[in-house]
Amino acid sequence: AQKVTQAQTEISVVEKEDVTLDCVYETRDTTYYLFWYKQPPSGELVFLIRRNSFDEQNEISGRYSWNFQKSTSSFNFTITASQVVDSAVYFCALSPSGTYKYIFGTGTRLKVLA
Amino acid sequence: DGGITQSPKYLFRKEGQNVTLSCEQNLNHDAMYWYRQDPGQGLRLIYYSQIVNDFQKGDIAEGYSVSREKKESFPLTVTSAQKNPTAFYLCASSAIQAPGTDTQYFGPGTRLTVL
Repeated sequence: AQKVTQAQTEISVVEKEDVTLDCVYETRDTTYYLFWYKQPPSGELVFLIRRNSFDEQNEISGRYSWNFQKSTSSFNFTITASQVVDSAVYFCALSPSGTYKYIFGTGTRLKVLA
Repeated sequence: DGGITQSPKYLFRKEGQNVTLSCEQNLNHDAMYWYRQDPGQGLRLIYYSQIVNDFQKGDIAEGYSVSREKKESFPLTVTSAQKNPTAFYLCASSAIQAPGTDTQYFGPGTRLTVL
């Protein structure tokens, strides 16, 4: 079975706090891709990052960083020094190689309070 | 500016009516997708198309129909056979590289409400 689990339904933090969003995936494929998307209140999904299964190097982009660990099937997303504009629903997705289908998690709603 | 447009933003339908949601992209992407999003749930794939005049059913195709007559357009019709159509509908597109490697980019969505 292929599945993505985002166990945190909603997280609230105070501005400037760091926050980590968890993503755990299940797949038997050896080649696959993982994604993170942000969905602000406007509704559009905004692409944040894509990572393939052979690249376990962590990535940092400004205040965002991603930790990919195949040993634990996790692809966690950390926002450093959170801001109110980070308030959104964040989705993790899995795309097995050989298919055009994405498998989405149920999303984590992040609320950053001023 | 390149992107994906969806119209209308809000749509109200009476029970028993068919409605068509528009999706247009000018990214020159080959593949296009329709997803449905319900509160507290992830996105579920309705239909996708990798090439003009061809499309495949996703996980929840019943009660929906699509067409792909032009590369840039992929309209979705919600038929009266769809028992619970009230939802947020998102269209996406991607450049075909190899399956599983392409990144999908999303439009702003259409919120459909059945009265």
